[in-house]
Amino acid sequence: SQKIEQNSEALNIQEGKTATLTCNYTNYSPAYLQWYRQDPGRGPVFLLLIRENEKEKRKERLKVTFDTTLKQSLFHITASQPADSATYLCAPQDPGTYKYIFGTGTRLKVLA
Amino acid sequence: DAMVIQNPRYQVTQFGKPVTLSCSQTLNHNVMYWYQQKSSQAPKLLFHYYDKDFNNEADTPDNFQSRRPNTSFCFLDIRSPGLGDAAMYLCATSSDRGGTDTQYFGPGTRLTVL
Repeated sequence: SQKIEQNSEALNIQEGKTATLTCNYTNYSPAYLQWYRQDPGRGPVFLLLIRENEKEKRKERLKVTFDTTLKQSLFHITASQPADSATYLCAPQDPGTYKYIFGTGTRLKVLA
Repeated sequence: DAMVIQNPRYQVTQFGKPVTLSCSQTLNHNVMYWYQQKSSQAPKLLFHYYDKDFNNEADTPDNFQSRRPNTSFCFLDIRSPGLGDAAMYLCATSSDRGGTDTQYFGPGTRLTVL
């Protein structure tokens, strides 16, 4: 069955640094992968989508990469701010069922 | 301004007492989803509606049912809640089920089972 792995431990970084979060998936080959942000007690909010034929996608301070050979996506936040503190979920799409399968997320804390 | 609304935000019920959670959307999206999310876990898809077509996940317990009376509204019914059903329930919508269709989530309903 499909498996998605994100760092279960929280990531603490200093304000102004670049945060890099990892998403690894196994047992399937998604054509699309999405990243969401989730704040405590709230629903996830869509951030970025990347296609399998795109190596990299950017939006303001956010950058996502998609390596279909490694079966990995990296999510970067440059010039991080305390307001970026949240849990970030990756969701590769299952091409067989078109459903997005969510990872457990990585909790990011940006220290002032 | 709110696009996906869930009511109530917090729901307390007793073991075995039926409960209904509601979701409404102003986006006119075709697809509505219900997810269950427990603490520090991934959102788990329970079922979704594609228009009026109901799609159940294979591992969703029979205790969970859903209704979609019209495009805007969708309900999650838990017939006999157990302690293990305590969780955040998230409603989401998308325009379609294609790869580029992003999901818009509501704020969630936190269910407590006593």
